[in-house]
Amino acid sequence: EPEVTQTPSHQVTQMGQEVILRCVPISNHLYFYWYRQILGQKVEFLVSFYNNEISEKSEIFDDQFSVERPDGSNFTLKIRSTKLEDSAMYFCASQQDPYEQYFGPGTRLTVT
Amino acid sequence: AQSVTQPDIHITVSEGASLELRCNYSYGATPYLFWYVQSPGQGLQLLLKYFSGDTLVQGIKGFEAEFKRSQSSFNLRKPSVHWSDAAEYFCAVGPTGTASKLTFGTGTRLQVTL
Repeated sequence: EPEVTQTPSHQVTQMGQEVILRCVPISNHLYFYWYRQILGQKVEFLVSFYNNEISEKSEIFDDQFSVERPDGSNFTLKIRSTKLEDSAMYFCASQQDPYEQYFGPGTRLTVT
Repeated sequence: AQSVTQPDIHITVSEGASLELRCNYSYGATPYLFWYVQSPGQGLQLLLKYFSGDTLVQGIKGFEAEFKRSQSSFNLRKPSVHWSDAAEYFCAVGPTGTASKLTFGTGTRLQVTL
């Protein structure tokens, strides 16, 4: 069964550094999402992406964040200058049509 | 704005006992409704979903959920819990007929005692 994959599984970075989290969505899916989950809290929406542009973003998704689908298969989330409060599990999801979203296993980002 | 409430933060049940996890939502129309399960350190696995039609939906691992429009609820049930069901359970809502963000509840952590 096709699945969403994410790399790396765990990323440790220093405050102020740039990080890129990578996702490979399911191949025939058209809608892509990033969510995050701070430890012990609920899953929160960050951004959605369709037709090579952002379709919706939350207030969390400020100028420090960007997304890209550079080569038609990968979907990346970049954080330009990480803060301590960016430490969280980041989930990528993809969706074929307005039904269920399929989630990847997540990348745990630790900012020190 | 849409919201999801899971009133029980933590539930403990004995193996073999029945389970009901509560979920209430606030939404302007009938939403799409989902239950996801997250095992420790793992991603989110879809248990079941409601889009339309029969209000009792069956999912994987023996779970079912019932959509009650009058109560704005979508409670998750299982008749007999197994120790492997110990995990965090999230209820989520999304808009009908369009691909858009999901709004999650805060989750219910299920502990199963032997």
